[in-house]
Amino acid sequence: IAGITQAPTSQILAAGRRMTLRCTQDMRHNAMYWYRQDLGLGLRLIHYSNTAGTTGKGEVPDGYSVSRANTDDFPLTLASAVPSQTSVYFCASSERAGAETQYFGPGTRLLVL
Amino acid sequence: GQNIDQPTEMTATEGAIVQINCTYQTSGFNGLFWYQQHAGEAPTFLSYNVLDGLEEKGRFSSFLSRSKGYSYLLLKELQMKDSASYLCAVLDSNYQLIWGAGTKLIIKP
Repeated sequence: IAGITQAPTSQILAAGRRMTLRCTQDMRHNAMYWYRQDLGLGLRLIHYSNTAGTTGKGEVPDGYSVSRANTDDFPLTLASAVPSQTSVYFCASSERAGAETQYFGPGTRLLVL
Repeated sequence: GQNIDQPTEMTATEGAIVQINCTYQTSGFNGLFWYQQHAGEAPTFLSYNVLDGLEEKGRFSSFLSRSKGYSYLLLKELQMKDSASYLCAVLDSNYQLIWGAGTKLIIKP
């Protein structure tokens, strides 16, 4: 059982380019989340999905979009990357939305130049 | 605004006990989580408190006081592998997790 996988592991991206970070879970969890983690700051929620077919905005959604076409996949797209989007991105999932333990993927380290 | 405060860094000695504090001010409260994150890795779940009191799980215990907006994580019999960051997170009224910046714990032999 893989749990949650993310791809790529790391990426260097030119500003203005479009980029999709992939996230797949095999636990049949209903809820999925995208966070960014920056030095000195807590994890910040970008977008979430409580169930397949629905998505919602988190604390810092600007410049990012998501889709949830099925239970397993939750890709995050940067339409036109900017240097302030340099960060470590974590995908997470939980059995249901709410007071549930979240399980995290290994992260994607993104550098936007 | 919503705020989670925890010390930036703490140092402790192998075999000792350390207490990591977390205070919070959030819009609503539906529980408090502690996660452990080793450098370069993903956070992993340690504990969840929703009622006041102490929850013990092996060498780790977590305490909650909702009236004081306060929690602590207690680590006993410290081992070198406990060197990590410890993240406090509160589930707010919208059932979204609000995260603290984390406490980096350094264990010295």
